[in-house]
Amino acid sequence: DAKTTQPTSMDCAEGRAANLPCNHSTISGNEYVYWYRQIHSQGPQYIIHGLKNNETNEMASLIITEDRKSSTLILPHATLRDTAVYYCIVTPSSGGYQKVTFGTGTKLQVIP
Amino acid sequence: DSGVTQTPKHLITATGQRVTLRCSPRSGDLSVYWYQQSLDQGLQFLIQYYNGEERAKGNILERFSAQQFPDLHSELNLSSLELGDSALYFCASSVATSAYNEQFFGPGTRLTVL
Repeated sequence: DAKTTQPTSMDCAEGRAANLPCNHSTISGNEYVYWYRQIHSQGPQYIIHGLKNNETNEMASLIITEDRKSSTLILPHATLRDTAVYYCIVTPSSGGYQKVTFGTGTKLQVIP
Repeated sequence: DSGVTQTPKHLITATGQRVTLRCSPRSGDLSVYWYQQSLDQGLQFLIQYYNGEERAKGNILERFSAQQFPDLHSELNLSSLELGDSALYFCASSVATSAYNEQFFGPGTRLTVL
């Protein structure tokens, strides 16, 4: 599995866009980028995933660079409830042997 | 609410003891995953089951074992407990195993070993 690198922590003002970067320079062609978040010791929550194209859903947008070596999760209008640890992971789309590794993620603090 | 349930929510026990954590996946999900999260640590993948069979193993100690039953619920057994086993234990479920699908996590079981 490709490894990911994320900043340890970030701050964002409430109402502003939060842009969370993730480096996955060793990603393979069949590996997806997934984002989860974990709010204060709760179970992690799926946010969004993508392969090549940019993706958007009701929670966030995912921008993947053309070479797929990095991506950015965008929370368009951060609220205090978005304060959480955000995990970026990469995983193959198939293969039958699933071993998803979560790193230590980025701790996002949304400031009033 | 993810649809994944875990019991108990909290568990306090002593070193050397054995405990069983239980997980019920979302309706229709065949895969169950177990994770351990120690204080201020990332999620460590322990083991995955798919439709009753073990499919992937991560950093699971020999003192730990798991199984998935015909009704698809899963149990994680932790024995000869040590202080370092104190952690949050999460269960997650997903639809399938041959392709990665998003995982839905339960609320976790907080284990404290004294």
